[in-house]
Amino acid sequence: DAMVIQNPRYQVTQFGKPVTLSCSQTLNHNVMYWYQQKSSQAPKLLFHYYDKDFNNEADTPDNFQSRRPNTSFCFLDIRSPGLGDAAMYLCATSRATGTGFGQYFGPGTRLTVT
Amino acid sequence: AQTVTQSQPEMSVQEAETVTLSCTYDTSESDYYLFWYKQPPSRQMILVIRQEAYKQQNATENRFSVNFQKAAKSFSLKISDSQLGDAAMYFCAYRRGGNEKLTFGTGTRLTIIP
Repeated sequence: DAMVIQNPRYQVTQFGKPVTLSCSQTLNHNVMYWYQQKSSQAPKLLFHYYDKDFNNEADTPDNFQSRRPNTSFCFLDIRSPGLGDAAMYLCATSRATGTGFGQYFGPGTRLTVT
Repeated sequence: AQTVTQSQPEMSVQEAETVTLSCTYDTSESDYYLFWYKQPPSRQMILVIRQEAYKQQNATENRFSVNFQKAAKSFSLKISDSQLGDAAMYFCAYRRGGNEKLTFGTGTRLTIIP
């Protein structure tokens, strides 16, 4: 089945220790997104890629970066995680703009910072 | 800027009954799409139903239907014959035509009472 896969599902890292979360998709969608979601809140968009074009949200901290080496994969790098970065990180994909199709989400990676 | 408002933080319904979740939005655009997403306790966000603004007919997907009132900027979700598996956080979301990003509401937590 076509899907969005996130690895790992659970990640524990130490304060200040860089961490990378990964996302892959078999949907062949142009657009890939990274969201941060804290408990009982709506997802907060960090950035997205439209093909290779990177689009950063204005309020995304510099501590968060992303890479998309090819259509299928996208990575979220947190350079120096703080306690406030503990959250669920959701990857999503969608077709190109204008089609009105929704975004398809992966199961998320729960990040714990100790 | 577009905003999406879900005024019911929590709702509950008896199993097999019908429940309606409210959503209002604010936009000056004419080309847009509306979505309802479901996020069960396992946390994977699932697209439940979508509505194109240019369509007058309300979208339906099995037990899920919407009441789209364009002039009132209202987009409510009706769940018929509620099942235990419907228990989740439900997010209403808006996407402007030609834009890749979703604007989420704050969510409604739905509890199903056996």
